[in-house]
Amino acid sequence: GAVVSQHPSWVICKSGTSVKIECRSLDFQATTMFWYRQFPKQSLMLMATSNEGSKATYEQGVEKDKFLINHASLTLSTLTVTSAHPEDSSFYICSARDDRRLITEAFFGQGTRLTVV
Amino acid sequence: LAKTTQPISMDSYEGQEVNITCSHNNIATNDYITWYQQFPSQGPRFIIQGYKTKVTNEVASLFIPADRKSSTLSLPRVSLSDTAVYYCLVGDPNQGGKLIFGQGTELSVKP
Repeated sequence: GAVVSQHPSWVICKSGTSVKIECRSLDFQATTMFWYRQFPKQSLMLMATSNEGSKATYEQGVEKDKFLINHASLTLSTLTVTSAHPEDSSFYICSARDDRRLITEAFFGQGTRLTVV
Repeated sequence: LAKTTQPISMDSYEGQEVNITCSHNNIATNDYITWYQQFPSQGPRFIIQGYKTKVTNEVASLFIPADRKSSTLSLPRVSLSDTAVYYCLVGDPNQGGKLIFGQGTELSVKP
């Protein structure tokens, strides 16, 4: 089946630094990808929709200047957490659908555990 | 996007059939119903998707009544490895694939 790969799987960074998370669709093209964050014992919360070749669309309450999204190609979207703080520590997950298939499930990456110290 | 309501948690024993029902009273005509499974510290994994009546695959069945205001995920003969959170989602795949997750159902399978 289709695979979405995230990198890194986990990262620890110092407060004030920036962290980049990559999301790749390995065997299909995805014009649109999605970024979620998930806190312990909670559901996934949609942060933004990443659109290839254009600006991302952010959900209400998500700071676009803090969570920079770049979708430079049909197989890669990146999320950069800028000036990270401990409250940004969370599990970040991306998803994508295959552009060639109209009715299909979304494929999720394995997630990235971010810890800000 | 239609909101979904599921039980917060369910308990079962190995070998039993588990049925998880999801309510989606405001489902739209073009919406499909999709169920995902999530293990701790992993991304969600697709289980099954349907539009109406019954859908079956190698891991589960999905029952959708005629009014489509609810759906039931059926897991036959669960094992310990089926302990996970199960999410029911409703959306139109032709509208970009945006998925809004509800609270999910935490299924605990005991020996």
